Amino acid sequence: NAGVTQTPKFQVLKTGQSMTLQCAQDMNHNSMYWYRQDPGMGLRLIYYSASEGTTDKGEVPNGYNVSRLNKREFSLRLESAAPSQTSVYFCASSVGFVIGELFFGEGSRLTVL
Amino acid sequence: QQQVKQSPQSLIVQKGGISIINCAYENTAFDYFPWYQQFPGKGPALLIAIRPDVSEKKEGRFTISFNKSAKQFSLHIMDSQPGDSATYFCAASVAAGNKLTFGGGTRVLVKP
Repeated sequence: NAGVTQTPKFQVLKTGQSMTLQCAQDMNHNSMYWYRQDPGMGLRLIYYSASEGTTDKGEVPNGYNVSRLNKREFSLRLESAAPSQTSVYFCASSVGFVIGELFFGEGSRLTVL
Repeated sequence: QQQVKQSPQSLIVQKGGISIINCAYENTAFDYFPWYQQFPGKGPALLIAIRPDVSEKKEGRFTISFNKSAKQFSLHIMDSQPGDSATYFCAASVAAGNKLTFGGGTRVLVKP
C-alpha cells in the first residue's frame, strides 16, 4: 500500500553540490510529476512525464533535470544546487495525462546552504 | 505571476463554524478545478473537484461553489472540525493535460 515513495526525506547541501531525488510509484500509473512547494507560492510544476519515455518542462524547470527511468520511477536531479532551490519537493503520479487525481508522495525537504 | 490567486492565507475558525476559502483565476481555458488538502508532513491529497458545467458540488461537509463569469471558485467547509485543520490548495488545469496550477494555499486552524 506504498503509493508514491520519495527518497531522501531530508537533505542538506552546500551551494554547488549535486544530488538526485528519487521517486517510485507502485500504482501502475502512466504519468509522473515533480513539484516544489514554497511558502505562499503553493506548488509549482518543475517537470513532468506524461508517459514512459517522455519528459517535458513545467513552470519552473531551470536548474533541474529529470529522468523517467521506467514506468515506476521518475528522478529529479540538481546539477549545481543554489540556495534558491531550498524547498520541499513533491513527486506525484496519475493514471494518465488527462485531468484527474494526482497522488502525491510525502515530500523531500531540501536545504541548500 | 500566479495564475490562480487564493485567499485568505490563513484562517482560524471555531469548531462547528464555516470555513470559506476563495480562489480567482485568469486563464479562461481552465476547465478543471480541484481542491487539495495537506496535513503537516504529508503530501497533498485530492479533496473535491468541479468542472465549469456545474455551479456547485457538495461532498459531505465540503462544498465547491463556482462562478464562471467572475472566474472565481470557493471551498466551504461546513461544521468545521479540529480534524479539518490543514492547508488547503485550490488548483486549475486545462483538459488537454494534467498540469495543475496551484493557488498559494490557506492554512486552516479549527479551534475546539
